[in-house]
Amino acid sequence: RKEVEQDPGPFNVPEGATVAFNCTYSNSASQSFFWYRQDCRKEPKLLMSVYSSGNEDGRFTAQLNRASQYISLLIRDSKLSDSATYLCVAPHSGYSTLTFGKGTMLLVSP
Amino acid sequence: NAGVMQNPRHLVRRRGQEARLRCSPMKGHSHVYWYRQLPEEGLKFMVYLQKENIIDESGMPKERFSAEFPKEGPSILRIQQVVRGDSAAYFCASSEQGADGYTFGSGTRLTVV
Repeated sequence: RKEVEQDPGPFNVPEGATVAFNCTYSNSASQSFFWYRQDCRKEPKLLMSVYSSGNEDGRFTAQLNRASQYISLLIRDSKLSDSATYLCVAPHSGYSTLTFGKGTMLLVSP
Repeated sequence: NAGVMQNPRHLVRRRGQEARLRCSPMKGHSHVYWYRQLPEEGLKFMVYLQKENIIDESGMPKERFSAEFPKEGPSILRIQQVVRGDSAAYFCASSEQGADGYTFGSGTRLTVV
C-alpha cells in the first residue's frame, strides 16, 4: 500500500456543487494530517490541518477516520477559484517531514 | 515578510553540468526542507536541514546530490553532472518548528537539455 493514496480525478463539478475527496494512508501511527492546495505550476499552500476531531473552515470540512485510515475533504458551494489540485499529506518520519499524495484535480465550471 | 525565496525560478542546464538551487527561509525560520516534483508526480521529500546540520537526508539520491544550510546565507541544493531525469520542479519549504508551519517557496524549475 502506498503511503498516501488519492484518486487523481479530475473531478468536474458545476459552481455551487458540493464535492468530496478521500485519501488513504498507510502509517497507522500518524497523528495529524494536512490538506494542501496546488495551482498549476505553483507552490503548494496549506489549506487546513486535520486532527482527530476534524476541522472546519468556512466552506471546507476535513475529517479523519483512524479505523479505516482515511481522511476526507468536503468543499461546499464550489467556486470557480476552487479549481486546483488538492494534496493529501501525512507526516513522514519524525513528524517534521511530510509525505504528499499525488493530488486530486478539481475543475469547477460555470 | 518576504516569505521563502527561491532562485533562480527557472534553470536550464546541459547534461553533465552542475545545478545550484538556492533557498532563503522566512525570517525566524530555522528549519529548511527540499522537495522534488517530477512531471505528473507528487512532491517527494529529499532533505531536511537546520543551520549547519543535515537532520534527515533519507530522500536524497545517493550520488550527485548534496545540500547544505550554512550559518550565513541561503540553503543550497547542488546537483552535479545533471541528467535528463533530474528535470523537475524543486521546492524549498521552511518552518519555525515542525511540519505545522510549512511555507513553500515558488520553486525552481530545472530543465536538463
